[in-house]
Amino acid sequence: AQKITQTQPGMFVQEKEAVTLDCTYDTSDQSYGLFWYKQPSSGEMIFLIYQGSYDEQNATEGRYSLNFQKARKSANLVISASQLGDSAMYFCAMREGTGNQFYFGTGTSLTVIP
Amino acid sequence: KAGVTQTPRYLIKTRGQQVTLSCSPISGHRSVSWYQQTPGQGLQFLFEYFSETQRNKGNFPGRFSGRQFSNSRSEMNVSTLELGDSALYLCASRYWDSYEQYFGPGTRLTVT
Repeated sequence: AQKITQTQPGMFVQEKEAVTLDCTYDTSDQSYGLFWYKQPSSGEMIFLIYQGSYDEQNATEGRYSLNFQKARKSANLVISASQLGDSAMYFCAMREGTGNQFYFGTGTSLTVIP
Repeated sequence: KAGVTQTPRYLIKTRGQQVTLSCSPISGHRSVSWYQQTPGQGLQFLFEYFSETQRNKGNFPGRFSGRQFSNSRSEMNVSTLELGDSALYLCASRYWDSYEQYFGPGTRLTVT
């Protein structure tokens, strides 16, 4: 079974609108971490936001927020007030317990339309 | 503070050759992980090194190997290259076991 599932290969959003990128995960560990990364066309992966499995509040970092629904095992990324520079691939990832391996989803390509 | 650097950025090799990629982590970071990214398989974990020891390995054949030096710089070696090894190879560094890992710009390897 896939550890991380991103079901949206591509998404379009109008500039200044909000967009939600979906991510579901699969783990039997009680302790885990969830991450979102942005990968522009240049190739470098940029860390956006982190949510720990024991964190009760949804993580927020500027225009990024993580909608964490533990029972549903989902960790959706919400980008508010989209900007043209947000056009990129977005990857959801998970690290289980104290393990050192990160599992990545297949990514969602986001295009912001002027 | 300088970010993660990877050299070379681009590489073209022929089947059967071997290749060595280099990664210099952020100063003070002791953990270096390597990933292979391809359009078909996405991002796949290769291995992680911490204080010169490999402490985790993904599901890749033995042709893929790595090492880490005392200054935390890491190298990845692929022997007997195959066409399917064409990919973007990313390395990432972390400070001890912190959750946040920082990626380098990657090395794009093309095998012809």
